[in-house]
Amino acid sequence: DARVTQTPRHKVTEMGQEVTMRCQPILGHNTVFWYRQTMMQGLELLAYFRNRAPLDDSGMPKDRFSAEMPDATLATLKIQPSEPRDSAVYFCASGLNRATHYEQYFGPGTRLTVT
Amino acid sequence: GDSVTQMEGPVTLSEEACLTINCTYTATGYPSLFWYVQYPGEGLQLLLKATKADDKGSNKGFEATYRKETTSFHLEKGSVQVSDSAVYFCALSGDTGGFKTIFGAGTRLFVKA
Repeated sequence: DARVTQTPRHKVTEMGQEVTMRCQPILGHNTVFWYRQTMMQGLELLAYFRNRAPLDDSGMPKDRFSAEMPDATLATLKIQPSEPRDSAVYFCASGLNRATHYEQYFGPGTRLTVT
Repeated sequence: GDSVTQMEGPVTLSEEACLTINCTYTATGYPSLFWYVQYPGEGLQLLLKATKADDKGSNKGFEATYRKETTSFHLEKGSVQVSDSAVYFCALSGDTGGFKTIFGAGTRLFVKA
């Protein structure tokens, strides 16, 4: 049963520190999405890639966030420097693009707490 | 832009009760519509989908019909179980948004034994 994996599952860090979150998409999927979920804002799309190329990162604060896909088996989301308002659950999803939509499979998430 | 509005929760039901979670959407063109479910501590899972008007998506006893005339995609189940307790998200994907998925705010369901 293929699954999206994310590491770490939990991260507690102090304000100003760099945070790196990793995602291993399902083998064969050509699209990777990064989402952030908070109680106040709900689920927000931060960025997504197709065939490892960034398609849209307009949802991401550019000054501190960066997303990359160094190879087909790894996607990373970095925050530098981190701030308390970045505390959230970050989800990676991988998927396939169909004619009319993306079929997405979500990972378990990384719960980030910035103190 | 495209958007999804779903009923606010929480919704609390007794086991074996009927469930309806309302969802309406705003979109240009003909989007695909989805329901996702999120169990505690997990990521979202696709529950069902419909890609054109009058299609009915169904899975695990849940169903939803794509109603273009009322721009709705209400989630229904005839008899809920305690294990259905979760957060349910209505979503759409349309060509005007580059096929990105737009999610509703989510509706939390509690089912009591």
